[in-house]
Amino acid sequence: QKEVEQDPGPLSVPEGAIVSLNCTYSNSAFQYFMWYRQYSRKGPELLMYTYSSGNKEDGRFTAQVDKSSKYISLFIRDSQPSDSATYLCAMSGGGNNRLAFGKGNQVVVIP
Amino acid sequence: NAGVTQTPKFQVLKTGQSMTLQCAQDMNHNSMYWYRQDPGMGLRLIYYSASEGTTDKGEVPNGYNVSRLNKREFSLRLESAAPSQTSVYFCASTRIVGQGTEAFFGQGTRLTVV
Repeated sequence: QKEVEQDPGPLSVPEGAIVSLNCTYSNSAFQYFMWYRQYSRKGPELLMYTYSSGNKEDGRFTAQVDKSSKYISLFIRDSQPSDSATYLCAMSGGGNNRLAFGKGNQVVVIP
Repeated sequence: NAGVTQTPKFQVLKTGQSMTLQCAQDMNHNSMYWYRQDPGMGLRLIYYSASEGTTDKGEVPNGYNVSRLNKREFSLRLESAAPSQTSVYFCASTRIVGQGTEAFFGQGTRLTVV
């Protein structure tokens, strides 16, 4: 079992819809949870991060962590064509500095 | 603030040729990484350097070598390129944030081996 599982299937939604992405993980030592956004032909950029279980909002984006279930989610409200990108979950913690990444979801928001 | 800079951005190699991918960061980070990204495979760690003077293998090190030239620079070398090494290569540096780690990526090098 990989440390981080993210179903890499593409997702197409109409503009204005809610986008829901999720990852599961197996390593209980993970304490820091992140979502990266990667536009086509660019490097990943940090979108959101959170330490604890619960929700964190930033504008139209909400990151959710459930440590008891080892499950994290990213929600995008009122999705826009500019949100079209690949979204990767990432986690770290447990005494080393390395990150574990999910495979990423390609999201396409159709005008 | 340039962040992480990779050169070149694009490269086409013939099978058996060698090349070095360059990476430099100006954020004074200790740790640097090389990943490759392939469709459906996500980011796979090739090599990393936890600090100046140290390097370690990642998930897919075969066919690659690295050099941590100084704190700023971390290069990746392909000694004899193979078509299986066609990929997008990303360099990253990381900083510690509380109990976690954040990564900062370069813009990538698109490598095609024919």
